[in-house]
Amino acid sequence: GDSVTQMEGPVTLSEEAFLTINCTYTATGYPSLFWYVQYPGEGLQLLLKATKADDKGSNKGFEATYRKETTSFHLEKGSVQVSDSAVYFCALRDYNQGGKLIFGQGTELSVKP
Amino acid sequence: GAGVSQSPRYKVAKRGQDVALRCDPISGHVSLFWYQQALGQGPEFLTYFQNEAQLDKSGLPSDRFFAERPEGSVSTLKIQRTQQEDSAVYLCASSLGGLGNTGELFFGEGSRLTVL
Repeated sequence: GDSVTQMEGPVTLSEEAFLTINCTYTATGYPSLFWYVQYPGEGLQLLLKATKADDKGSNKGFEATYRKETTSFHLEKGSVQVSDSAVYFCALRDYNQGGKLIFGQGTELSVKP
Repeated sequence: GAGVSQSPRYKVAKRGQDVALRCDPISGHVSLFWYQQALGQGPEFLTYFQNEAQLDKSGLPSDRFFAERPEGSVSTLKIQRTQQEDSAVYLCASSLGGLGNTGELFFGEGSRLTVL
């Protein structure tokens, strides 16, 4: 079945460092891809999404490009802030498989001042 | 309300007790999803409703788990004869459109269940 694999955390960076969180997926269909973020004590929030190959999703300085040839959707940010400390989840949604979101295991990011 | 509301936020149960977890989706949202999130893991799909119809329950781990949405709005996830492995955060999400819609899922803050 469909699945998502993320790089393991926790990831610890200094403020203003460059961030990459790797995400790869396996899908039988042609899924949409998402990054969700979970700040401490809060619910999951959609960070960005991409619905077709070569689409780039972006929000709050974060970017991810849907790469069909490598089945990847890596999350990047050029300069992280302390307020970016959270758990990040990569997910896919295959509408041919009922439309449910399938999540990776999450990557915890801690940004130090 | 403005967002998805779940209650209780925290529940401690003794092994063997029954529990009920409630989800109030965003008003007018057709789709409702339940997820189970174990500590340090990503959310795992449990079940999906389109209005009052339960269209997918493939993720329910056993027949001790039961979900309903009788009027197509509020949903309840019931766990009978709880076991320690049921300890997790149970997340509810809603979406405006029905099956196949591409709209965003909005998540509640979850109900944390601890089974002693």
